[in-house]
Amino acid sequence: DQQVKQNSPSLSVQEGRISILNCDYTNSMFDYFLWYKKYPAEGPTFLISISSIKDKNEDGRFTVFLNKSAKHLSLHIVPSQPGDSAVYFCAASASNGNQFYFGTGTSLTVIP
Amino acid sequence: DAMVIQNPRYQVTQFGKPVTLSCSQTLNHNVMYWYQQKSSQAPKLLFHYYDKDFNNEADTPDNFQSRRPNTSFCFLDIRSPGLGDAAMYLCATSALGWGNTEAFFGQGTRLTVV
Repeated sequence: DQQVKQNSPSLSVQEGRISILNCDYTNSMFDYFLWYKKYPAEGPTFLISISSIKDKNEDGRFTVFLNKSAKHLSLHIVPSQPGDSAVYFCAASASNGNQFYFGTGTSLTVIP
Repeated sequence: DAMVIQNPRYQVTQFGKPVTLSCSQTLNHNVMYWYQQKSSQAPKLLFHYYDKDFNNEADTPDNFQSRRPNTSFCFLDIRSPGLGDAAMYLCATSALGWGNTEAFFGQGTRLTVV
C-alpha cells in the first residue's frame, strides 16, 4: 500500500515560470518530509525538507509547503531553470519509525 | 568529500548466477539501507541495518541477502537473480534510524539480468 503518493507522473514548465510538484500521504504518524531530485542513471540527491511543526520551508528557489490537515505537501521552484529538469521524489518518515517512504516521482521538464 | 559510493555502477549478470553489489560510506552513519527501484516506481526498501542490527522488510524475497561487516561497508547479495530482479539498486545512509534526518544516497547500481 503506497503511503506516499505523487499523482502527476510528469510536468512541463516554461523556463522562468513556477513549477509546483505535489505529494499526498496517508500515514498520520509521518512527521518529517523530504524532496529528492534524481537525474537519469544517478542516485537521488536531497533537496529540501520540512518538519511537521512547520508549514513552510524555503531554500533559495525552492520552497516546500506542508498542509497537515490535508496530508499534502508541495514543492515550489521559482524561477524554474532548464537544469531543474529531473525526477523529483517526495519522501516521508516518522520519528518512531526506521525508514523513508517514497512516492513514485514526478518527472519535471523545464522548457528553455 | 564524505559520500556514499556504490560499485559497480552497472552490473550484468546471468540468470541464476549469484551477484554481489557493494556500498561504502565515509559519513560514519549508523544506518545503511538498500532500496530497489524499478522504472516509474517508488524506491522500495529491501532491508536496513541500524549499526549491526539487521532489519528485513516482510516482503523482501529470500533471494536477497545483506552483510554489513563494519560501519563503512554494506553488501547486497542476490543468490539467484531472475529477470524480475533487473532494477536500479540504491544504497543510502542516515545518521539516525528515525527522526528529523535525511538519507544520503549513492549513485546506484543498475543491474541487468540476461
